[in-house]
Amino acid sequence: DAGVIQSPRHEVTEMGQEVTLRCKPISGHNSLFWYRQTMMRGLELLIYFNNNVPIDDSGMPEDRFSAKMPNASFSTLKIQPSEPRDSAVYFCASSWGTGMLGYTFGSGTRLTVV
Amino acid sequence: AQSVTQLDSHVSVSEGTPVLLRCNYSSSYSPSLFWYVQHPNKGLQLLLKYTSAATLVKGINGFEAEFKKSETSFHLTKPSAHMSDAAEYFCVVSDTPPGGTASKLTFGTGTRLQVTL
Repeated sequence: DAGVIQSPRHEVTEMGQEVTLRCKPISGHNSLFWYRQTMMRGLELLIYFNNNVPIDDSGMPEDRFSAKMPNASFSTLKIQPSEPRDSAVYFCASSWGTGMLGYTFGSGTRLTVV
Repeated sequence: AQSVTQLDSHVSVSEGTPVLLRCNYSSSYSPSLFWYVQHPNKGLQLLLKYTSAATLVKGINGFEAEFKKSETSFHLTKPSAHMSDAAEYFCVVSDTPPGGTASKLTFGTGTRLQVTL
């Protein structure tokens, strides 16, 4: 199994541009999570899906952020327009069921907005 | 509501000496507890997990943790530190209410472990 696959690994963009981060969860996992990591705030849960349905998006910072999961094997996190304060590492994770056995994290996307 | 407190932001030990990383939690239900490790510029790797089975949990790389309900603690230990253990360690709690679907993880603020010669 290739694990959770995120792309791109690094993204540098100019303020105001649209950014799309991608995630492919582990096959068979039915829960998917998007986290953001910064020095100031640590790891924050942005949104999570169960069976492709968003369950909790209370962590999404503002309307500039949106996430979709059109099918069980793909999810996107979009920022439009991007701002310098969005610079962070964004992690995707997936799990089976309630996640009691733990989550598998992707390697992350390091986003820099200049 | 669930929360987790890592009592030390930074721990420094000498190679070959014991490691203790402290974690206290709170939860509304029967929690699942995890320790994750993050090496510099890397993703998060699961070290070990507690899910209401044995209270002493053994993980990878010689780490273990003990769930103590009376103390609401889940401290991470290792008998002998190795240079390769230097990393950031996160204590994590997950609640699943009865009838709930996916649980979300709540991360502690992390403990940076430094290992010196």
